[in-house]
Amino acid sequence: DAKTTQPNSMESNEEEPVHLPCNHSTISGTDYIHWYRQLPSQGPEYVIHGLTSNVNNRMASLAIAEDRKSSTLILHRATLRDAAVYYCIQENSGGSNYKLTFGKGTLLTVNP
Amino acid sequence: DVKVTQSSRYLVKRTGEKVFLECVQDMDHENMFWYRQDPGLGLRLIYFSYDVKMKEKGDIPEGYSVSREKKERFSLILESASTNQTSMYLCASSLYPGSGGANVLTFGAGSRLTVL
Repeated sequence: DAKTTQPNSMESNEEEPVHLPCNHSTISGTDYIHWYRQLPSQGPEYVIHGLTSNVNNRMASLAIAEDRKSSTLILHRATLRDAAVYYCIQENSGGSNYKLTFGKGTLLTVNP
Repeated sequence: DVKVTQSSRYLVKRTGEKVFLECVQDMDHENMFWYRQDPGLGLRLIYFSYDVKMKEKGDIPEGYSVSREKKERFSLILESASTNQTSMYLCASSLYPGSGGANVLTFGAGSRLTVL
């Protein structure tokens, strides 16, 4: 299974930008990078995904390194509601395209 | 708003009981998934289904079975519940991504099962 590496935890202050890193050194050319987050007592929620180019949506931005072996999820202005576990997932297109393997994620704490 | 609905948020069952966890999605998604989530272990895939009556084992299928008789409904069955199946169970669905597409999951709120 495709594995990613993320820090166990990070801390940020409210209204400041947050950069959540992820390493995916085994990525192949057609594997997507996904980010999900899980708020307390809820199921995971889709945030963003990308392949090669940087991506933006209303929730976040995704910056993908040129060699694609790492990526960074960017929350432009953290709010208290962004406190969650963030999962970076490498979708392995070489295997079953239906299966996403979640790691342990990064616990983001946002300080007021 | 797209939705994945899990029938029970909290269940308490006894060892040896048969347990049904139900999941319904209203998005006409082809794929459906059951994960369990435990502290320190993250989310682990139990079973998934990519079409009606089709199922595939995930990483930890032992002690579980599934049923998908209709496209919108995916049931997880514990034939004889054991205490080590106490966990949070998460259902998800996704649209068939097509060739070269990404598989984006929508999750339900989860069902917390306690087996005594």
